[in-house]
Amino acid sequence: GESVGLHLPTLSVQEGDNSIINCAYSNSASDYFIWYKQESGKGPQFIIDIRSNMDKRQGQRVTVLLNKTVKHLSLQIAATQPGDSAVYFCAESGFNKFYFGSGTKLNVKP
Amino acid sequence: DSGVTQTPKHLITATGQRVTLRCSPRSGDLSVYWYQQSLDQGLQFLIQYYNGEERAKGNILERFSAQQFPDLHSELNLSSLELGDSALYFCASSVGRGLDGYTFGSGTRLTVV
Repeated sequence: GESVGLHLPTLSVQEGDNSIINCAYSNSASDYFIWYKQESGKGPQFIIDIRSNMDKRQGQRVTVLLNKTVKHLSLQIAATQPGDSAVYFCAESGFNKFYFGSGTKLNVKP
Repeated sequence: DSGVTQTPKHLITATGQRVTLRCSPRSGDLSVYWYQQSLDQGLQFLIQYYNGEERAKGNILERFSAQQFPDLHSELNLSSLELGDSALYFCASSVGRGLDGYTFGSGTRLTVV
C-alpha cells in the first residue's frame, strides 16, 4: 500500500458545523474503501468502511458516500467537535492491492 | 489499543548510528507492513512481509532493511542514520494481503540529532 507524500490540504470548520472531506480514488477495480483518522503523533485509526456494492454507510456521527461513476469517496462528520481535529485519509483496495490517499487536515475552530 | 504493538515509542539517536524498530502484529495477522511518515506528510510505504516472506517493496532506502520472524513479529533496521530519517515509523498488520482488518500500530518516533 502506497501513498503520495504531499503537504496536506486543510479544511477549517466551526465547531458544531458539518464537515465533508473528499477523496478521489484511482482504480475502478477497487471494491473496498476505508476512512482513517490520524491525530497528531498517533497511528491512523479506522473510522468507517464501505464496499462497492453500497453507496452509503452510516456510523456514529459519520457517513461515507461512494460514487463509483466518478470514483469519488466522501466522509461526512456531523456536528464537528474539537476532538475531530486530525488528518483524515481514505484507502482503496481491490485484488489485494491497496493505496492510501495523502489526507486532509481537519481543523475545528471553537 | 489496536492490537499492533510497536516498540520503542520514542527513539533519539545520533547521525551515523543504527537502530532497530520492532512490531508485533495483531494475533492471527500474517501480513506486516512498514511505513515512514515525515512531518505533515502522507504515509510512505516501505516494505511488506507475509508469513515470513518479503512480498512488496516500496520506497525503502538501501540503508534500511526488515525481516519477519517465525513468530510473525517484524523488525525494521535503519543504519547510517541521517537527519532526514527523523520521522514516525508505523507498522500495520492484516490477516491476508488486502485491506480487510488492516490495523496500524501507534508508531515509533525517531529523532536523529
